[in-house]
Amino acid sequence: EAGVAQSPRYKIIEKRQSVAFWCNPISGHATLYWYQQILGQGPKLLIQFQNNGVVDDSQLPKDRFSAERLKGVDSTLKIQPAKLEDSAVYLCASSSPGGAAKNIQYFGAGTRLSVL
Amino acid sequence: SQQGEEDPQALSIQEGENATMNCSYKTSINNLQWYRQNSGRGLVHLILIRSNEREKHSGRLRVTLDTSKKSSSLLITASRAADTASYFCATVRGMNTGFQKLVFGTGTRLLVSP
Repeated sequence: EAGVAQSPRYKIIEKRQSVAFWCNPISGHATLYWYQQILGQGPKLLIQFQNNGVVDDSQLPKDRFSAERLKGVDSTLKIQPAKLEDSAVYLCASSSPGGAAKNIQYFGAGTRLSVL
Repeated sequence: SQQGEEDPQALSIQEGENATMNCSYKTSINNLQWYRQNSGRGLVHLILIRSNEREKHSGRLRVTLDTSKKSSSLLITASRAADTASYFCATVRGMNTGFQKLVFGTGTRLLVSP
């Protein structure tokens, strides 16, 4: 079974530029998550999708961050414009729809963003 | 916000020794999970313990949960150099949407030297 795919692995941009990250979850996983992990900290949930609907985006800075999952499979996370404090690893995760397995999240390798 | 606080922040041991990491949290939970993160990689699920369980084992891992103290511990026995990683506890609680939310702690960086 293929894992969660993310691209790019690394991105360096200047502040005020825009950037987009892509995620392809495990096949059949209805729930998709985007996390921000700042160096030395645990991941912080930005947004959670169930199929193509948003379940939780309470910690997403909506003035600059946006995310979509139009067909309920792939997802993109965009930052526009980027700030220095957005430098972090952006992790995508997915989980299975039901039963005990829905509690377990499978993570991609992440995209490391550096904002200069 | 981060729910869990892990202790210690960093731990350095020799191969063959046991490693114990602790996690404290603030609110009631449905279950608690531990994840491992190797440098530059995503997180990998290790073990899940439900709120009505007190202890769980998986291979060289032993997890305990004390809901009265709102704390959990992860014990790795007979550690190996390959266990070098950051370990995160994550609490799971239900939301009023009917979905569950995972909130990660600050992590413990474990270094196992040969």
